[in-house]
Amino acid sequence: GAVVSQHPSRVICKSGTSVKIECRSLDFQATTMFWYRQFPKQSLMLMATSNEGSKATYEQGVEKDKFLINHASLTLSTLTVTSAHPEDSSFYICSASTRGQGPLYEQYFGPGTRLTVT
Amino acid sequence: QQPVQSPQAVILREGEDAVINCSSSKALYSVHWYRQKHGEAPVFLMILLKGGEQKGHEKISASFNEKKQQSSLYLTASQLSYSGTYFCGTGTDSWGKLQFGAGTQVVVTP
Repeated sequence: GAVVSQHPSRVICKSGTSVKIECRSLDFQATTMFWYRQFPKQSLMLMATSNEGSKATYEQGVEKDKFLINHASLTLSTLTVTSAHPEDSSFYICSASTRGQGPLYEQYFGPGTRLTVT
Repeated sequence: QQPVQSPQAVILREGEDAVINCSSSKALYSVHWYRQKHGEAPVFLMILLKGGEQKGHEKISASFNEKKQQSSLYLTASQLSYSGTYFCGTGTDSWGKLQFGAGTQVVVTP
């Protein structure tokens, strides 16, 4: 299967600072990437859809100015958590879609980033 | 709207079978199945499209009832490595956005 990387895997930051998380598709091009948030023992909650070369589409209730998404190339999307607060602490996972390479598009997930805001 | 998964949890002995169900109130274009182990990312298992196309692991089978907007994942002759939380993700169009169910925790014991 396709490989998606995320960096960093863990980050601890102080309240009020910003954190950038990178998501890369290593062996395929992804015009579409997705960002999810997952709380312990809960499901994946879609935050936003990242499209290469255009603005991200955010899900209802997700603050666009707080979670900045940039999809600068066909292999890289970044999520920046601005002015982080303790309630932003979570497991953030990205996925890259093979959409556009046939009808049977798959989403491959990165290993996730554990963010802790102190 | 999130799809509904059942059961919430299942405990199996090695070699036993299990079925995990996923249902949606919306007309579906696709159903995707993933397995996640603790602290790791979800791993792709299978995708099923309306119309019958599907793609996935050889040892995993699933079905998609388009009329009922339901999908089932079949774990046959379970192995210890099958343990984990199984999520279904449902898509209503070809753009790829998925909504995930709450997950089914599967524990396979020796």
